[in-house]
Parts: sequence; C-alpha cells; structure tokens
Amino acid sequence: RKEVEQDPGPFNVPEGATVAFNCTYSNSASQSFFWYRQDCRKEPKLLMSVYSSGNEDGRFTAQLNRASQYISLLIRDSKLSDSATYLCVVRSQGNLIFGKGTKLSVKP
Amino acid sequence: DAGVTQSPTHLIKTRGQHVTLRCSPISGHKSVSWYQQVLGQGPQFIFQYYEKEERGRGNFPDRFSARQFPNYSSELNVNALLLGDSALYLCASSLVPGYEQYFGPGTRLTVT
Repeated sequence: RKEVEQDPGPFNVPEGATVAFNCTYSNSASQSFFWYRQDCRKEPKLLMSVYSSGNEDGRFTAQLNRASQYISLLIRDSKLSDSATYLCVVRSQGNLIFGKGTKLSVKP
Repeated sequence: DAGVTQSPTHLIKTRGQHVTLRCSPISGHKSVSWYQQVLGQGPQFIFQYYEKEERGRGNFPDRFSARQFPNYSSELNVNALLLGDSALYLCASSLVPGYEQYFGPGTRLTVT
C-alpha cells in the first residue's frame, strides 16, 4: 500500500463548480498534513496546511480525520485559475511524503 | 528576497555519466531537502540535510549522494546515470527540519 493515496483524476469541471479531493495515508504516526498545488512544469507550492479541527481559506476548505487517516480538500466556486495538479502531502519522521496528485481542469 | 534557486535549469546526459545539481536555499534557511519527480508522479524524497549533516534519506540507490556546504547550499550527485533517472529534481529549503518547505523551480534532467 502506498503511503499517500489520492483520487486518480483527472477532474474536468465547469467554472463555478464545487470540487472535492480525497486522500488517505497509511502511517498513523504522521505528524502534519498539507495540500500543495503544482502548475504544469512548475514547482509545488503550499496551498494550505490541514488541521484536525478543519480549516478554511476563502474558497478552500481542508479537513483531517486522524481516526480514518483521511484528508480532504474542497474548492468552492472554482475558477479557471484553479486548474492545476493538487498534491496531498504528509509529514512523517520529518520528511514530506507526496501523493501522486490529482489534476484539475476548470473549463469556461 | 530571492527564493530557492537551482542550477542548471535543464540538463541532458548520456547513460553511465555523472551529474551534479546545485541548490541555494532561501537566506536564513539551514535545511535543504532533495526530491525526484518522475512525470505523472508526485515528488519522492531523496535526502534531507541540516547544518551540513544528513538528517534523512529516502529509498534511493547509493548512486545518489548529496552534501551541504557551510553556506547551506547543497549539491545532489548521481553516478552511473540510468534512463529511469530522467526526472525533475526539486530542492526545498526550510528554516530548520520540520518547518514549512519552499521549493525551487527544479532541474529537469533527461538521460538518453
């Protein structure tokens, strides 16, 4: 089993749609959780950290369920500029473990 | 302030050759990590260095090595290149291990 698994995608949605990304991790001792965004042929950039209580940043909401070892990201009112690959990331033993990523394409 | 810088941007090598990739962290950051990203996959952890010492190593063969210099810059070396080493090599820096990591633009290595 892979350490971090994500929806395979890709997701193709119209502008204004709500999109949900799901992720599971295998190491119950994982310490921190993140969502990164990666544009085509660019480096990953931190989108948001994920906290146990859930957290929101504008149109983006992240949730963590430690018991189920499950992480989610919800994007509301999606924009063309949200098109990118979304990477679920877990910090285990000080190192970042990345999922494969889920590609999102938002169409006009 | 400058972000993480990497050189070269692109590189083409032949199987069996050796390659050295370079990374300069954000000013004040003392930890550098290296990742390999193969097309269609997420980045995979290779090494982490802090204060010139290796603090973590991923599941990569001994052909991969790295070091960190007194100015906190770092080099990743790969010997006896294989076609499968073709990838984007990313460097990330953080203040100290465990803090937020900031990625450089990467070096795209093609092995023919």
